[in-house]
Amino acid sequence: DTGVSQDPRHKITKRGQNVTFRCDPISEHNRLYWYRQTLGQGPEFLTYFQNEAQLEKSRLLSDRFSAERPKGSFSTLEIQRTEQGDSAMYLCASRFQFETQYFGPGTRLLVL
Amino acid sequence: KNEVEQSPQNLTAQEGEFITINCSYSVGISALHWLQQHPGGGIVSLFMLSSGKKKHGRLIATINIQEKHSSLHITASHPRDSAVYICAVEGGGADGLTFGKGTHLIIQP
Repeated sequence: DTGVSQDPRHKITKRGQNVTFRCDPISEHNRLYWYRQTLGQGPEFLTYFQNEAQLEKSRLLSDRFSAERPKGSFSTLEIQRTEQGDSAMYLCASRFQFETQYFGPGTRLLVL
Repeated sequence: KNEVEQSPQNLTAQEGEFITINCSYSVGISALHWLQQHPGGGIVSLFMLSSGKKKHGRLIATINIQEKHSSLHITASHPRDSAVYICAVEGGGADGLTFGKGTHLIIQP
């Protein structure tokens, strides 16, 4: 499968724990995006990378959220000290330049 | 910040009907996307357009840049078309996509 993959697909954690999600984009895609989708809502943009450079992070929801793309390939999104309000679907998408974005299946997070 | 409004929010129709979903936005954009999301599933890109009209199978997407409006049409609708259809825009000062809330479409046999 050469699409965008995300791991894990589901994560249940207790409030206060740290979680990390991984996204593997389509190999030739230089741009990678993270979005969050809560139940019944459209996704919202969090951050994006062009190669290894994080070009926009002001939309990250708080300083508990951070993302990396160390070698311009896969990316990780970390949430520290999780809160119940962080429960959502976290989506990753990749694209080559300004062509169509391809979305991964998402990681569904539940914070108890 | 771009505001993206979709209508209707919910739509139930009979198989074979012609379906129209509308999207309007508030600030000029570089491109508009129509996306499809099945329950519990990921998001699939249907169209990316910046002007005019695109067609793929039974799906047609149009955009009017001057009026800041786009429509997604489904001809000869089928139960497998049942999904959430999301309009998203890019540009207008934002880096990522700005999404509408989606239109929940149900096609009954």
